[in-house]
This record gives sequence, structure tokens and C-alpha cells, in this order.
Amino acid sequence: ELKVEQNPLFLSMQEGKNYTIYCNYSTTSDRLYWYRQDPGKSLESLFVLLSNGAVKQEGRLMASLDTKARLSTLHITAAVHDLSATYFCAVDILDDKIIFGKGTRLHILP
Amino acid sequence: ETGVTQSPTHLIKTRGQQVTLRCSSQSGHNTVSWYQQALGQGPQFIFQYYREEENGRGNFPPRFSGLQFPNYSSELNVNALELDDSALYLCASSRKGALYYEQYFGPGTRLTVT
Repeated sequence: ELKVEQNPLFLSMQEGKNYTIYCNYSTTSDRLYWYRQDPGKSLESLFVLLSNGAVKQEGRLMASLDTKARLSTLHITAAVHDLSATYFCAVDILDDKIIFGKGTRLHILP
Repeated sequence: ETGVTQSPTHLIKTRGQQVTLRCSSQSGHNTVSWYQQALGQGPQFIFQYYREEENGRGNFPPRFSGLQFPNYSSELNVNALELDDSALYLCASSRKGALYYEQYFGPGTRLTVT
């Protein structure tokens, strides 16, 4: 059974600092997703990573994928308060069925 | 904001009752997936519908069932509701066969079972 593990599960950080969220998964997959969720809201797609070595950046967020290590990272650069949210990684296991990690709750302090 | 809509937004039911949740997929999408998200947890895959047939199922009992209609909209039905069924139910639409695959999530239905 596929497991998707994120760490840390909770992160409190100061504005302006850098940090990385890690996502490990237990079986091969050709697609990995990162989503953002604000409290009480639905999921917002951030990145879709399709191949080994893929790197995507949007603003202060950068995601990468290492399929050999079964590891994806979400790097936050110079954090700002607006990035406070819960971030999920999710892995496509077969035929578009997606398994989510438990999420990383990010709290950015002013 | 995606073109995926869900109804109702909120729902309160009593244990043992039945509930139907609805999802309209984004234009051009032919696949709908349903997820259950308990408070403080990640979404869990319930099942997926493609061409009006179930196309994969997660670890959920048979009292969770669904339908997909010719216009690709979908329903999730839950019978014999239990307290643990209280959650946010999300549907996501996608286009199977698209070169660049991505699921787009609706706003969700918050179900409370008392």
C-alpha cells in the first residue's frame, strides 16, 4: 500500500526565513502534486511534477522531484504571512487515483 | 477558482440517515473523483468515475456509492450514516487522456452527522 509521508507536520517560522517541506512516498509514481489549503477552504493546485529532476517555481515557492529517492520538496524562500496555510503533497498511484499526505500546517509569524 | 461546483455547501444529518452530495465537473472534463477529508487530515480517495462507471475505489465500505451522469456530473451517496462520516467531502474533475493531467477540486460539502 502506498504511503505518503510529509514532514514536518507543523511548522512555525518567522517572516523572511527559508524552509523546506519534505514529502516521501513508498512506491513508484510518475506524477506528484502539491496543493495548498486555507482553513475551511478547498484545495488549490500549486505544482504538478511529472518527471525525475523536475523543478517548478511560483513566487516564493519552489517544488522539486527526485523519483529515484521517491522524494519531493517544497521550498519556501523569504516567507511572508500570506503563505500561512496547510500544504499537501499527493502522489498519483495508478490511473489518476491520488493519495495524499497528512499535510504540513505552516504558520508564518510576522 | 475552478469550474467545479458542489452542493450543498453544508449539511447536517442524523446517524442512520442517508445523504446525497452533488458535483458538477469543469467543462471538458470526463472524470470525477471523490475524497473525504476529516478534520486535520489529508483527503482520502473514495472512488473515481469515468464514462459513467466506477474506475477505482479506495478503502471505503459499500455504503459509499456513486453515480456519474452523461454530462459528467456526479453524485456521492452515503447510506446508514455514522458519526465518523462527518467530514469535508471534495470532488475533483479531470480529463482522462489529457497530455497534462491535473485534478481541479470543488469547494467541498461539509457534512456533520449527529
